[in-house]
Amino acid sequence: DAGVIQSPRHEVTEMGQEVTLRCKPISGHDYLFWYRQTMMRGLELLIYFNNNVPIDDSGMPEDRFSAKMPNASFSTLKIQPSEPRDSAVYFCASSLSGRGGNQPQHFGDGTRLSIL
Amino acid sequence: AQSVTQLGSHVSVSEGALVLLRCNYSSSVPPYLFWYVQYPNQGLQLLLKYTTGATLVKGINGFEAEFKKSETSFHLTKPSAHMSDAAEYFCAVRDDGGATNKLIFGTGTLLAVQP
Repeated sequence: DAGVIQSPRHEVTEMGQEVTLRCKPISGHDYLFWYRQTMMRGLELLIYFNNNVPIDDSGMPEDRFSAKMPNASFSTLKIQPSEPRDSAVYFCASSLSGRGGNQPQHFGDGTRLSIL
Repeated sequence: AQSVTQLGSHVSVSEGALVLLRCNYSSSVPPYLFWYVQYPNQGLQLLLKYTTGATLVKGINGFEAEFKKSETSFHLTKPSAHMSDAAEYFCAVRDDGGATNKLIFGTGTLLAVQP
């Protein structure tokens, strides 16, 4: 079975540029999560969707960050304009609804983002 | 509010020795607990989970964890460490704020295995 697929795996760009990260969740999963991981702050939940609807975006750091899920098989996380402090590894994860949160999240391999 | 505490950000063991990674949680509802492993340059991979039923849970790669309600703990163990176990390990608890499937992660424990 295909897991969560993220692209690109690596992205290097200059400050001020727009960055778009992409995620394809596991087929049939109705929850999708975006995380950011850094040495300083660890693993942070940015936003998550249920049935393509954003449920909680309280972790999105600033208005420069936006996320969309136009359909059940695709989501994007966009940073515009990008800044050096946005450099991190960004993970996408998906899960089934299950019962009361008993289903695990399945993670992609991440996008390593470097803003110069 | 619920939380997860992982004692020891770095743990070092010798190959063949017991692995013990500690996790304590707080939750206002019966907890669902998870352990994940992260190898370099990879995403988090589920090792095992506890939701209901048997309190001793077996996972992949020879790991197991025991849910102890009285101690609010969910420690991860492996009888004999292998070099390939070197990775970062994360404990997580289900969010109890009504948001299903959202997890609260600990800060992680980096496991080193010495030859």
